Amino acid sequence: GQNIDQPTEMTATEGAIVQINCTYQTSGFNGLFWYQQHAGEAPTFLSYNVLDGLEEKGRFSSFLSRSKGYSYLLLKELQMKDSASYLCAVKSGGYQKVTFGTGTKLQVIP
Amino acid sequence: DTGVSQNPRHKITKRGQNVTFRCDPISEHNRLYWYRQTLGQGPEFLTYFQNEAQLEKSRLLSDRFSAERPKGSFSTLEIQRTEQGDSAMYLCASSLSAGQGLYSYGYTFGSGTRLTVV
Repeated sequence: GQNIDQPTEMTATEGAIVQINCTYQTSGFNGLFWYQQHAGEAPTFLSYNVLDGLEEKGRFSSFLSRSKGYSYLLLKELQMKDSASYLCAVKSGGYQKVTFGTGTKLQVIP
Repeated sequence: DTGVSQNPRHKITKRGQNVTFRCDPISEHNRLYWYRQTLGQGPEFLTYFQNEAQLEKSRLLSDRFSAERPKGSFSTLEIQRTEQGDSAMYLCASSLSAGQGLYSYGYTFGSGTRLTVV
């Protein structure tokens, strides 16, 4: 089976930096995604990591350590519109199925 | 291309009735996925198609659930004899297939169908 853990909720201040952690246990790991989901809307793709290291994309960066089963999403220069749930998702198995964590609800405050 | 389209957006049904949802993926995407999401939870995998072949089906999917993707284009998800526990957002997503490598195509999700069973 698979196990994906991430904090349930986080609060951060506008303009600050926040790091959302994700740990996972899986067999046949093939990559890790981060998605953003605003309330009542569908998830949208943010990033993908398959090798160890940091991938930077504008204000968002994602890090992966395969040996530790660990990833984080780093959001810089937080804006109010970044208030959303952030979903960590792991791709694994022969058919490369993607399994989602429960999500971290981020609230950005002024 | 207008992205992934799901119909209807909302469905209210009485317990015991059958419901069918439709998903139209992005036209060039050969992979199609169905997920179910309840409040405060991440999407749960239900089933997955590559072209018209249903390659995997979750154990969450009881015999009351069936999905099809005739001709590898649109897909339907049917729930028979609905129960209150079936109330959820049903999300469809599509993607291009990609071999294992440095790049993977993320899913493009539709807006979902919110099912309420009363």
